Amino acid sequence: QKEVEQNSGPLSVPEGAIASLNCTYSDRVSQSFFWYRQYSGKSPELIMSIYSNGDKEDGRFTAQLNKASQYVSLLIRDSQPSDSATYLCAVPGAGSYQLTFGKGTKLSVIP
Amino acid sequence: DAGVIQSPRHEVTEMGQEVTLRCKPISGHDYLFWYRQTMMRGLELLIYFNNNVPIDDSGMPEDRFSAKMPNASFSTLKIQPSEPRDSAVYFCASSFPGQPRDEQYFGPGTRLTVT
Repeated sequence: QKEVEQNSGPLSVPEGAIASLNCTYSDRVSQSFFWYRQYSGKSPELIMSIYSNGDKEDGRFTAQLNKASQYVSLLIRDSQPSDSATYLCAVPGAGSYQLTFGKGTKLSVIP
Repeated sequence: DAGVIQSPRHEVTEMGQEVTLRCKPISGHDYLFWYRQTMMRGLELLIYFNNNVPIDDSGMPEDRFSAKMPNASFSTLKIQPSEPRDSAVYFCASSFPGQPRDEQYFGPGTRLTVT
C-alpha cells in the first residue's frame, strides 16, 4: 500500500518569509512527484512536477526531490497572502497513472 | 479550452435517493479519474478510465457506486441508494497523451450533501 505523508500543519508564516512544505512517500519505484494547491472550496490545481533528484525552480516555487530518502519538498519564497491554501503532495505508482495524495498541509501567510 | 466540466456543482438529496454526477473531460484527454474528498479521508481515487474503458475500480466503496464512460467526452458517477456518509466533494480529473500522463487536471467538483 502506497503511503504519502505530509507534515500536518497548519503552517503559519509571515508575509515575505519562506514556507517549507514536506512530503515523504513509501513507494520506492515512484518516478514523478507533484504538488497541487487547493484553495478553500476549490479544486486542486497542479503547480509543480518533478521527476529527477535535485531542485526545480518555477518563479517563487522550488521543488526538491531526494529519491534515496524518499522525500519531496516545496519551498515558497517571499510568501504572499495569496499563497494561503492547502498544498497536496501526489505520487503515482510504477506503471500506473493513479495518483496517491497526501492529506495536505494548510498554509496561512500572515500579512 | 474550457477545462474539465462537472455538473451539478451542488447536490442536496435525501437518503435513499439516486444521485448522478456528470463529467466532461478536456478534449483529447484519454484518461479520466473520479475522486472523492472528505476532511477525514482526504482525496481518494474511486475509479479511472483509459479510452472509455474502466481500468481500476478498486477504490469504489461499495456496490451502491457505479461509473460509466459511454464516450470520450462524457462520464457519470452514480450512487444508488445514497446515504449520509456519501456526503463529500466529488472531483473528476483528466490527463492527456504526449505529456506525462500522471499530470492530472481537475474539474471544479460536485459538493454532495445527503440528508
